[in-house]
Amino acid sequence: DARVTQTPRHKVTEMGQEVTMRCQPILGHNTVFWYRQTMMQGLELLAYFRNRAPLDDSGMPKDRFSAEMPDATLATLKIQPSEPRDSAVYFCASGWVTGFANTGELFFGEGSRLTVL
Amino acid sequence: AQSVSQHNHHVILSEAASLELGCNYSYGGTVNLFWYVQYPGQHLQLLLKYFSGDPLVKGIKGFEAEFIKSKFSFNLRKPSVQWSDTAEYFCAVPTSGTYKYIFGTGTRLKVLA
Repeated sequence: DARVTQTPRHKVTEMGQEVTMRCQPILGHNTVFWYRQTMMQGLELLAYFRNRAPLDDSGMPKDRFSAEMPDATLATLKIQPSEPRDSAVYFCASGWVTGFANTGELFFGEGSRLTVL
Repeated sequence: AQSVSQHNHHVILSEAASLELGCNYSYGGTVNLFWYVQYPGQHLQLLLKYFSGDPLVKGIKGFEAEFIKSKFSFNLRKPSVQWSDTAEYFCAVPTSGTYKYIFGTGTRLKVLA
């Protein structure tokens, strides 16, 4: 049963520390998304990759967030330094996205719940 | 820019009541639409999607949605809700010209047993 895998599931850290979240997309999917979910803002798109190339990271604070996809089986989201306002659930999703009229479904991971003290 | 809006942020229903959650999108061209559900503590999963054909789409667990192009709407319905439908529901649309998916703010449904 193919699924998106995210680690860690939970992370508690102190302000100023580096946090790295990892995502293994479903094999064969060509597009990977990072979303952040908070009570106040809902689901926000942070960044996404197509065929491992970053297409849009305008949703991320550039000074502290970075997203990479070193290979087809791994996407990472890094926060350095972390701040309390970064506390949220971070979801990775992958899908087979074919063109401008996208019909493909997104498959979400279980999420990484981050708490920054 | 394309957008999607959900009008009801919180809905409380008793079991067996009928459900309709609103979703409106801004784009007037070819559009594909999705509804996702997030059960408490879980990830989002697909309920149903529309991309062509019959505007009345049936999904899992008895949910359906109707695409009404003239109203730019894709409302989610269920004739009789169950306690297990307690969840947050998201409408989503892929943006035209990019590969992004935009999600609405979500509607939290609480079904009372």
